[in-house]
Amino acid sequence: EAQVTQNPRYLITVTGKKLTVTCSQNMNHEYMSWYRQDPGLGLRQIYYSMNVEVTDKGDVPEGYKVSRKEKRNFPLILESPSPNQTSLYFCASTSQVLEGTDTQYFGPGTRLTVL
Amino acid sequence: AQKITQTQPGMFVQEKEAVTLDCTYDTSDPSYGLFWYKQPSSGEMIFLIYQGSYDQQNATEGRYSLNFQKARKSANLVISASQLGDSAMYFCAMRDRSGGSYIPTFGRGTSLIVHP
Repeated sequence: EAQVTQNPRYLITVTGKKLTVTCSQNMNHEYMSWYRQDPGLGLRQIYYSMNVEVTDKGDVPEGYKVSRKEKRNFPLILESPSPNQTSLYFCASTSQVLEGTDTQYFGPGTRLTVL
Repeated sequence: AQKITQTQPGMFVQEKEAVTLDCTYDTSDPSYGLFWYKQPSSGEMIFLIYQGSYDQQNATEGRYSLNFQKARKSANLVISASQLGDSAMYFCAMRDRSGGSYIPTFGRGTSLIVHP
């Protein structure tokens, strides 16, 4: 079954404690991205990757890091989380970078609370 | 300027009636794709329907149809015969060629509540 998996699904942490949210896809997609969703703001892109070892900032990259060492994995790293990073996070992937037609597959979401 | 605009923060509809959720977009790229997603209270993002900029006909998927008016840059979602399970957030999205790759942009969403 084609899917994007994220872990953990729920996380409560404290300010400053480094954390990583994993994302993995089994569809051999080149393009992967991370979004955060906040009430009234829709989905905002944090980082994206067009292929292995290629990552770029999205609209709201501050406070986040990513890496793309393998095609299937795209972890999101919060080196020093702060309460304003409390949000719902989605990982997504799609197969074609240069075509606008492909649907993005979304992970189930990670609900992060930073105290 | 926002690339995707959803002007209705919230909508109410009676069960079995049709409802239209508005979406306008802004792009100068002749090649783009428009998408609608549903997000129920459980949080997952569910793909509903896709419309390509070169598609001649409006997209349809079961009870969902996309009213695509290219000249007006409008891509409204029409849900026919609403059901209670349609209560959710709905996001309009677009992929166009910004900076050399097709970066998706999302609207802020419309919350739909279906009354029995």
